Amino acid sequence: DAGVIQSPRHEVTEMGQEVTLRCKPISGHNSLFWYRQTMMRGLELLIYFNNNVPIDDSGMPEDRFSAKMPNASFSTLKIQPSEPRDSAVYFCASSRKGGAFFGQGTRLTVV
Amino acid sequence: AQTVTQSQPEMSVQEAETVTLSCTYDTSESDYYLFWYKQPPSRQMILVIRQEAYKQQNATENRFSVNFQKAAKSFSLKISDSQLGDAAMYFCAPQGGSEKLVFGKGTKLTVNP
Repeated sequence: DAGVIQSPRHEVTEMGQEVTLRCKPISGHNSLFWYRQTMMRGLELLIYFNNNVPIDDSGMPEDRFSAKMPNASFSTLKIQPSEPRDSAVYFCASSRKGGAFFGQGTRLTVV
Repeated sequence: AQTVTQSQPEMSVQEAETVTLSCTYDTSESDYYLFWYKQPPSRQMILVIRQEAYKQQNATENRFSVNFQKAAKSFSLKISDSQLGDAAMYFCAPQGGSEKLVFGKGTKLTVNP
């Protein structure tokens, strides 16, 4: 199994631009998580899906953030418009009962 | 709701010595797992050890073991014979039937040669 695959690994964009982060979970995993990691706030859960349905999006910071999971093998996290304070490492993880496995993360820099 | 408290922002240990990282949690779920993850400078999140809450026996994985106190909602990680490669951030997390996985703030472990 290739593990959780995130793309891109690095993204540099200008303030105001739309950013889309992508995630392919491990086959057979029924839950998918999006996290944001910064020095100040640590590892924050933004949203998680179960069987492709968003269960809890209370961590999504504001309406500029949106996430979708159109099928069991793909999810996106979109930021529109992006702001410098969105700069962080974004992780996707997938899980079935008993543990989650993480992608390599996307380092987003908004200038 | 799930909350996790890791009260030690930083810890240090001498190579070959033993160190214990603490974690307390709160969850409304009756059946759940507990995890410790390691994040080295490469930033990859690595699952170190897991504990099923219904099991009384503490989990062990080679040099890593846990002390699980269910009534106290305490879940500490013991690293024996510490190695330089153990230097990392360590995160604790419970996961119940809802599958929600929320992490503590982490403990930065330094291993001194």
